Amino acid sequence: DAGVIQSPRHEVTEMGQEVTLRCKPISGHNSLFWYRQTMMRGLELLIYFNNNVPIDDSGMPEDRFSAKMPNASFSTLKIQPSEPRDSAVYFCASSPGGMDSNYGYTFGSGTRLTVV
Amino acid sequence: DQQVKQNSPSLSVQEGRISILNCDYTNSMFDYFLWYKKYPAEGPTFLISISSIKDKNEDGRFTVFLNKSAKHLSLHIVPSQPGDSAVYFCAAYLSGTYKYIFGTGTRLKVLA
Repeated sequence: DAGVIQSPRHEVTEMGQEVTLRCKPISGHNSLFWYRQTMMRGLELLIYFNNNVPIDDSGMPEDRFSAKMPNASFSTLKIQPSEPRDSAVYFCASSPGGMDSNYGYTFGSGTRLTVV
Repeated sequence: DQQVKQNSPSLSVQEGRISILNCDYTNSMFDYFLWYKKYPAEGPTFLISISSIKDKNEDGRFTVFLNKSAKHLSLHIVPSQPGDSAVYFCAAYLSGTYKYIFGTGTRLKVLA
C-alpha cells in the first residue's frame, strides 16, 4: 500500500496564476479530506468528500478555491487566481470510515505551495 | 473560534525525562480524541487515541489522559527520546459531523 499520494511536493507560482494540487487516496478508503496547515490556525479542514461526493465545503476560504473528486482514486484542489496569502502546506487525507465514524485519517506528505 | 486549543507552541525536554503535551477543548460532546505526530516534510501520522468513555489509554511510552470535567487532554511520553522531536497535534471528533477538528500543534524538541 503506497499510502496517500500527493503531487507536486512543492509548487512555486506567481500571484494570479492557477494552481492545481492532486491527491490519490488509499484504495478502498471512501472518505477524502483536504486540509491546509498554517502557523496561526494549524490544520484547517477545507473540504470533505464521501464516496466521491462533496459533503462539506464550508472550510473553503473563498470562491477562488475549488475541489473535485471525479472518481474514487483521484481528487484535485484548484486555486484560481492564487494569492500570496494562499502560501501554506496543503494535505490530503483519506479514511475508510463513513460519515459517522471515528476512524483516524491517513495523511499524504503534503504540497508546499508558495505564491510570490 | 478554536474548539481545540494547544496553548504551548513549543516545548523542550531533556532526553530520558517526561514530555507532557496539553490540549484543551470547548465542546463537551466530543466523543473521540486522537494525537498525531508530524515530522518536517511529512504528513501527520496517527499516534494514539482515546474514547470519551475512558480516562486513560497507554501504548508503550505514550499515554493519553482525558479529564472530561476540565475538557483537557494530555499526552505523556516517558522516557522522551530525540526521535520524538516533532510537531504534535491533538484532534477531536464529534459523531455525526464526520470530521476531526485539529489544534494548532506543539513543537516538541527532545535534547540529547
